[in-house]
Amino acid sequence: DVKVTQSSRYLVKRTGEKVFLECVQDMDHENMFWYRQDPGLGLRLIYFSYDVKMKEKGDIPEGYSVSREKKERFSLILESASTNQTSMYLCASSSPLYEWQYFGPGTRLTVT
Amino acid sequence: QKEVEQNSGPLSVPEGAIASLNCTYSDRGSQSFFWYRQYSGKSPELIMSIYSNGDKEDGRFTAQLNKASQYVSLLIRDSQPSDSATYLCAVRRGSTLGRLYFGRGTQLTVWP
Repeated sequence: DVKVTQSSRYLVKRTGEKVFLECVQDMDHENMFWYRQDPGLGLRLIYFSYDVKMKEKGDIPEGYSVSREKKERFSLILESASTNQTSMYLCASSSPLYEWQYFGPGTRLTVT
Repeated sequence: QKEVEQNSGPLSVPEGAIASLNCTYSDRGSQSFFWYRQYSGKSPELIMSIYSNGDKEDGRFTAQLNKASQYVSLLIRDSQPSDSATYLCAVRRGSTLGRLYFGRGTQLTVWP
């Protein structure tokens, strides 16, 4: 069965902390994505990667960075967390062959 | 103009009725179209994909695509309370590397 896992379901961090969100997929997918989802704003793409060590900015990359050292793992980094980064973060992966994205369970991050 | 627009809803239908969810997209070169269902507090899950003009049926779900009108829809026949969720339309543009563009979603409530 297809699996995308995320390191935490709930996370509470303080303003200014460095935050790491990890995503692992077991489907050997080339493409991986990080989104945030906020009420009324829908899914917004932060970064995506179509290969190891490759990354592309999405629509809202400011305040975030990513790392993809291995094919199965894609990390989202909040360099200095701020309260406006409180959100649900969703990781997804896809294969160029099938195109649709599989989502992980999400991490609800609260920055206080 | 937004890449992908959905009727904002919320949409409320009685059990057993047909629910009709609509989506328009701006890029005429778009190739692939997907419908996701997202239950409250959960991550999106794929329910339908469609690539060519016409209808595609899967159980109680029918996806309809009209590329000339840049329009894709999802019909849910014999709606059940368990269909109550937010439905997301997603589109892959012709030029993108696996990236999908998502609408903001339509919230559907099926009442008994």
